[in-house]
Amino acid sequence: AQSVSQHNHHVILSEAASLELGCNYSYGGTVNLFWYVQYPGQHLQLLLKYFSGDPLVKGIKGFEAEFIKSKFSFNLRKPSVQWSDTAEYFCAVNANNNNDMRFGAGTRLTVKP
Amino acid sequence: DTAVSQTPKYLVTQMGNDKSIKCEQNLGHDTMYWYKQDSKKFLKIMFSYNNKELIINETVPNRFSPKSPDKAHLNLHINSLELGDSAVYFCASSLRRGSRSYNEQFFGPGTRLTVL
Repeated sequence: AQSVSQHNHHVILSEAASLELGCNYSYGGTVNLFWYVQYPGQHLQLLLKYFSGDPLVKGIKGFEAEFIKSKFSFNLRKPSVQWSDTAEYFCAVNANNNNDMRFGAGTRLTVKP
Repeated sequence: DTAVSQTPKYLVTQMGNDKSIKCEQNLGHDTMYWYKQDSKKFLKIMFSYNNKELIINETVPNRFSPKSPDKAHLNLHINSLELGDSAVYFCASSLRRGSRSYNEQFFGPGTRLTVL
């Protein structure tokens, strides 16, 4: 079964700083990759997804992620964070042929105004 | 509104009680899930149903029993509640198109369960 690792547990940034959150997965076959965001007290919302094609994926709110197959990575980036980006970020992966989605442990992002 | 909805939003109960959480989606999806999110925000899948058929059943105590009366509903019944069951439970749904699972999951608002 696939698994997901998020290396950063808690990231603290000032507004306007650049963001990169790491995500690595382990699975030998074709995968679908996702980043979800959970704002305080809310449910998970999809930020962006990768199924195939261009490995650089653009999502909502200025986020993007790059799929690097050779590194089994799908890191999330944003050039300039805002206070409103304070949230928990989850990377997720599922193999192309099943419904079993695995989530990383999450990275808490705190943006200081 | 099209969405995944859960009831109740909050549930506070005593140890040993039996409780149910309901989930409904009106997105036309054919697959539904239950996740448990603990106090450290770790999200763990519990069950998945596709067209009312159980397809994922992780290592979850027998006290947890999902029921899917139709494709749009997936309920979770918990018997003999324990302190460790306190968590936020999220329902989600997705659409499986043909042989490929796109599996973009849409989440409900969560049910915060507190066992005293």
